[in-house]
Amino acid sequence: QKEVEQDPGPLSVPEGAIVSLNCTYSNSAFQYFMWYRQYSRKGPELLMYTYSSGNKEDGRFTAQVDKSSKYISLFIRDSQPSDSATYLCAMKGTSGSRLTFGEGTQLTVNP
Amino acid sequence: GAGVSQSPSNKVTEKGKDVELRCDPISGHTALYWYRQSLGQGLEFLIYFQGNSAPDKSGLPSDRFSAERTGGSVSTLTIQRTQQEDSAVYLCASSLATGGDTQYFGPGTRLTVL
Repeated sequence: QKEVEQDPGPLSVPEGAIVSLNCTYSNSAFQYFMWYRQYSRKGPELLMYTYSSGNKEDGRFTAQVDKSSKYISLFIRDSQPSDSATYLCAMKGTSGSRLTFGEGTQLTVNP
Repeated sequence: GAGVSQSPSNKVTEKGKDVELRCDPISGHTALYWYRQSLGQGLEFLIYFQGNSAPDKSGLPSDRFSAERTGGSVSTLTIQRTQQEDSAVYLCASSLATGGDTQYFGPGTRLTVL
């Protein structure tokens, strides 16, 4: 069983839709949670970074962490065609520095 | 300032050849990481440097893989006697320090082993 599970999709939505992306994890040592966006043939770029349980909002993006359920989510409001990319969840513990990634969800927003 | 850069962007090699992949981290970043991204496997950690030393190299898949970092800056990942299963995108990231610091990724090197 993988430490981080993420549905690879693909997920296709119309422009303007609310998108919900999710990851579950099994390692209770994970304390830092990130969402990266990766366009085709590019490196991942950081979208959201959270430490504690709860919600964090940045523009159209909201990251949610529920440590008790070992579940994290990323919501995208008013999705745009430019949001079409692969979204990767990543997490790490307080000791060590490696990130453990989900497989990534491929998202397409159709105009 | 400039982001993380990697070279070459693409590398095609024949099975059994050695390859070297280069990473230039963001200036001033003391921590440097190598990951591998392959279809169906997602992003996998390979090795991490703090300065010139590698406290965690547990992700290297075999002794054909090695990496070094000199001057606390540039890093080279070397794959000896390449195999077809080594085909993947090799990503480098750097961060200001370690712990909870954000890791910034380069564009990757796409390696194809024929």
